[in-house]
Amino acid sequence: DIVMTQSPDSLAVSLGERATINCKSSQSVLYSSNNKSFLAWFQQKPGQPPKLLIYWASTRESGVPDRFSGSGSGTDFTLTISSLQAEDVAVYYCQQYYGSPFTFGPGTKVDIK
Amino acid sequence: QVQLVQSGSELKKPGASVKVSCKASGYTFISHTVNWVRQAPGQGLEWMGWINTNTGNPTYAQGFTGRFVFSLDTSVSTAYLQISSLTAEDTAVYYCARCPTAQNFPDYWGQGTLVTVSS
Repeated sequence: DIVMTQSPDSLAVSLGERATINCKSSQSVLYSSNNKSFLAWFQQKPGQPPKLLIYWASTRESGVPDRFSGSGSGTDFTLTISSLQAEDVAVYYCQQYYGSPFTFGPGTKVDIK
Repeated sequence: QVQLVQSGSELKKPGASVKVSCKASGYTFISHTVNWVRQAPGQGLEWMGWINTNTGNPTYAQGFTGRFVFSLDTSVSTAYLQISSLTAEDTAVYYCARCPTAQNFPDYWGQGTLVTVSS
């Protein structure tokens, strides 16, 4: 199984500042034939289901604010919130969908400082 | 608009069974797979597996074989998760989620169904 890790476990950022979350896979999730990394990011607020933010490591889902961006390839990925807003307080998960089981990272909790 | 509406919360005794439904609307049901994800209280997301809505073929993650069954009723665009021989460790919110075929990232999620197992 591909093991996903995230860092940090939690972070507190001032409003308007940048938040950066890292995700690492135990093996590459890059599919060489199309040069795409099979990596998605989700946001989960308390009492709500997860919401898709990013897929193919860097493609923003329709309707997601452009302050959210994804980067990385292969085994190392980053989710960046360029200017944290109050409504961004949530837990963020990465997920690989390269190989079954499609494992999630343990999550990173983002709070306001 | 795309919606996945799950059945309501369940309170079950140990040893009982439960069947959670996930009714899809707003899209062609068989054009997307359905994934199931578990979230224990205060914990992260755990991928349970998925079901091919064209063939009905299920795939289960390790740890979700035997007592867990994914099924479909395509006539009413509904997927089901049945869990038998419930224990307290099965207490969790169970989510269904739609995935574009051959691209297994969930783009729409159900609201979740809380299953509580307690004597």
